[in-house]
Amino acid sequence: DAKTTQPTSMDCAEGRAANLPCNHSTISGNEYVYWYRQIHSQGPQYIIHGLKNNETNEMASLIITEDRKSSTLILPHATLRDTAVYYCIAPIVYNFGNEKLTFGTGTRLTIIP
Amino acid sequence: SQTIHQWPATLVQPVGSPLSLECTVEGTSNPNLYWYRQAAGRGLQLLFYSVGIGQISSEVPQNLSASRPQDRQFILSSKKLLLSDSGFYLCAWTNLGGTEAFFGQGTRLTVV
Repeated sequence: DAKTTQPTSMDCAEGRAANLPCNHSTISGNEYVYWYRQIHSQGPQYIIHGLKNNETNEMASLIITEDRKSSTLILPHATLRDTAVYYCIAPIVYNFGNEKLTFGTGTRLTIIP
Repeated sequence: SQTIHQWPATLVQPVGSPLSLECTVEGTSNPNLYWYRQAAGRGLQLLFYSVGIGQISSEVPQNLSASRPQDRQFILSSKKLLLSDSGFYLCAWTNLGGTEAFFGQGTRLTVV
């Protein structure tokens, strides 16, 4: 896995867009960017992943810079239920099952009413 | 569909007692299995991972061990628990070439 760096914590007002950055300057061409989130006392939940193109699903958007050294997860209209720890990881997907799949400390996002 | 079962959800054990946490996966074959621990306010620490029956890789030296007696069963054990073993334990699985990791709901272990 490429090393990823995220801010320790962030706040966002309810209803606004939450933008969570992630640096992965050592990412290689076959490593994807994945985002998971963990709500207190639950298992991590998959959000979105991408390789080099921007991606969007019903939960979020993922913006990956052209050089792939950083990305931003966007929650377009944050709600109180989006308060969680968000993890950015960069595993080698084609070899997904044979590597260690390590997580960092993530970003603790708090949505403010 | 694939599902992952992890139990128990919560556990309170005295220091020095043994531990056995079980994780099973349904709906897939030959998964790769992982045990993570999360201390209070900390990130996910990888403890063990397994790419097949009887194949266990340990990431950190500790008071715990893991076993994989069957293809879709992963067990986390300890002979004598320490206070520092308290935490939130998560089991996860992936498939070779897959695009996601799936997590169980976790076991909150409190050693008293």
